[in-house]
Amino acid sequence: DGGITQSPKYLFRKEGQNVTLSCEQNLNHDAMYWYRQDPGQGLRLIYYSQIVNDFQKGDIAEGYSVSREKKESFPLTVTSAQKNPTAFYLCASSIGTGGPYGYTFGSGTRLTVV
Amino acid sequence: QQQVKQSPQSLIVQKGGISIINCAYENTAFDYFPWYQQFPGKGPALLIAIRPDVSEKKEGRFTISFNKSAKQFSLHIMDSQPGDSATYFCAASISADKLIFGTGTRLQVFP
Repeated sequence: DGGITQSPKYLFRKEGQNVTLSCEQNLNHDAMYWYRQDPGQGLRLIYYSQIVNDFQKGDIAEGYSVSREKKESFPLTVTSAQKNPTAFYLCASSIGTGGPYGYTFGSGTRLTVV
Repeated sequence: QQQVKQSPQSLIVQKGGISIINCAYENTAFDYFPWYQQFPGKGPALLIAIRPDVSEKKEGRFTISFNKSAKQFSLHIMDSQPGDSATYFCAASISADKLIFGTGTRLQVFP
């Protein structure tokens, strides 16, 4: 079945540590996105990529980094510069130009600072 | 102008009742309006979507009503069930550009 796989489901980070969240899709989608969701809050865009080897900052990119070396993969690194990283992180993908334009979301990674 | 305003923030409905969630936008270039449903600990899933050339779209118990002149659209859930209890997000985009999400509505349906 086609879909988006996020791993790990739960991740614990120590203070000052960088961690990388994985996002893989086999939908042949061009565009991929990372969102942060805090308890009871909406979805805030961190980074997005509409094509391989290209990505743009979203609304809350500070303290995060991404890469898009392959169409299928869009990993997110939460760096030590992100002072409040505890949140639920969601990866999504879409076909991109030409539509349909809906997103397919992964099941999320819950990151906790310990 | 890129915002999508969603209300209410939370909604409590009796089983069998109608749940109504509203969204408003400013950018008249938006041409795609989806609704997403999210259960706790899961990613959002596309529920139903509409384009501005139609005023209403129905899929089962879920209906989107679209008012282009008022720049508003709403989700109606008929015969609401406890299993519909979730957070609902509206969104809007200009074709293939990134979606702009509303802030979400937490729906609780009580038996």
